[in-house]
Amino acid sequence: NAGVTQTPKFRILKIGQSMTLQCTQDMNHNYMYWYRQDPGMGLKLIYYSVGAGITDKGEVPNGYNVSRSTTEDFPLRLELAAPSQTSVYFCASSYLRQGVDNEQFFGPGTRLTVL
Amino acid sequence: TQLLEQSPQFLSIQEGENLTVYCNSSSVFSSLQWYRQEPGEGPVLLVTVVTGGEVKKLKRLTFQFGDARKDSSLHITAAQPGDTGLYLCAGAGEDYKLSFGAGTTVTVRA
Repeated sequence: NAGVTQTPKFRILKIGQSMTLQCTQDMNHNYMYWYRQDPGMGLKLIYYSVGAGITDKGEVPNGYNVSRSTTEDFPLRLELAAPSQTSVYFCASSYLRQGVDNEQFFGPGTRLTVL
Repeated sequence: TQLLEQSPQFLSIQEGENLTVYCNSSSVFSSLQWYRQEPGEGPVLLVTVVTGGEVKKLKRLTFQFGDARKDSSLHITAAQPGDTGLYLCAGAGEDYKLSFGAGTTVTVRA
């Protein structure tokens, strides 16, 4: 059981480039989430999904897109990278809803720098 | 978005000392979670508290949820270097999305 895996671990992008951050979970969880973590700012929710084919915006969705074609995969797409998107990105999954005594499992993160 | 404030932002103590981390909000939460995050890794859930006034103990860690379900505290007794990390609180509101605090960085010196 690998849990939640993310690739790549590190990436440097130039302004205007695009990339996809990959996230896969093998726990058959319905719910998946993308967060960004900036120093001293905690975790901010970018997008989330309650099941295959269903996605919704979180707190900071601008500049990002997601898709959920399978239960296992939840990729995050950056179309036109900007320096403000320099951050550490975490993917997470849970069986039921967030909170309500339900554990959320996080991947190891992707550290992205946009220059 | 419901704002969660954590204090202190940084805490450095000697091995064997006790410490308390606070998580406060003006909003009511249906539940509150505490996570610990080590450098280069994702957060890992420590506990979820659901009932106002609830106290949960995990070995040397004691978690308390305020009576009004707006605040929480984490107390570590006889801290060890292995307790070093970033401690994050996260609250679930009326919808099921979590709001995270900015975290408290705890360093326990041997």
